[in-house]
Amino acid sequence: DQQVKQNSPSLSVQEGRISILNCDYTNSMFDYFLWYKKYPAEGPTFLISISSIKDKNEDGRFTVFLNKSAKHLSLHIVPSQPGDSAVYFCAAAEGGSEKLVFGKGMKLTVNP
Amino acid sequence: ETGVTQTPRHLVMGMTNKKSLKCEQHLGHNAMYWYKQSAKKPLELMFVYNFKEQTENNSVPSRFSPECPNSSHLFLHLHTLQPEDSALYLCASSQDPRNSYEQYFGPGTRLTVT
Repeated sequence: DQQVKQNSPSLSVQEGRISILNCDYTNSMFDYFLWYKKYPAEGPTFLISISSIKDKNEDGRFTVFLNKSAKHLSLHIVPSQPGDSAVYFCAAAEGGSEKLVFGKGMKLTVNP
Repeated sequence: ETGVTQTPRHLVMGMTNKKSLKCEQHLGHNAMYWYKQSAKKPLELMFVYNFKEQTENNSVPSRFSPECPNSSHLFLHLHTLQPEDSALYLCASSQDPRNSYEQYFGPGTRLTVT
């Protein structure tokens, strides 16, 4: 039973437009959420995170939004660039736990 | 070397072979992790070591045997594997898993069991 779900396997957007990546979770004990980006032949790299005490966190072109009541988070990339083309993973953790629970990932393609 | 390194990057082994995967982190972190990524599946946590002590074994079969001789090195010893064990094996490290959830990953070892 997947606790972190990324229901869309892929997304294609034009350069300069907004990319919105979605993630849903089922475990109400999760209180910290992260996004990772993965290029082919490389390991995932940390992108941005958010604690459950916040509903938004922004870092440059990347913003993560958290809706606790809906158990939903999203990653917005504005403006999208071709170098953003990668697989994006959503992950979640319970307070004090050593475990990150990952979604299956979503492939983003940004077309020039 | 910087970050988290893994060797070998690719490995093909038969079901009767014994091999080991190596991971080294140059970040001064205290915790190290092994993950398995199979096709079309989420990353699955296998083992966690915190200050060289194993703190998590996520119901992993005994044909996978981890070893953590110090905070910078982590091994995964493999023996009598099955074809379904073919996957990408990722190592990660973090400063202190109780206070920081950010994990830093190596590039992975692509394992094929024939």
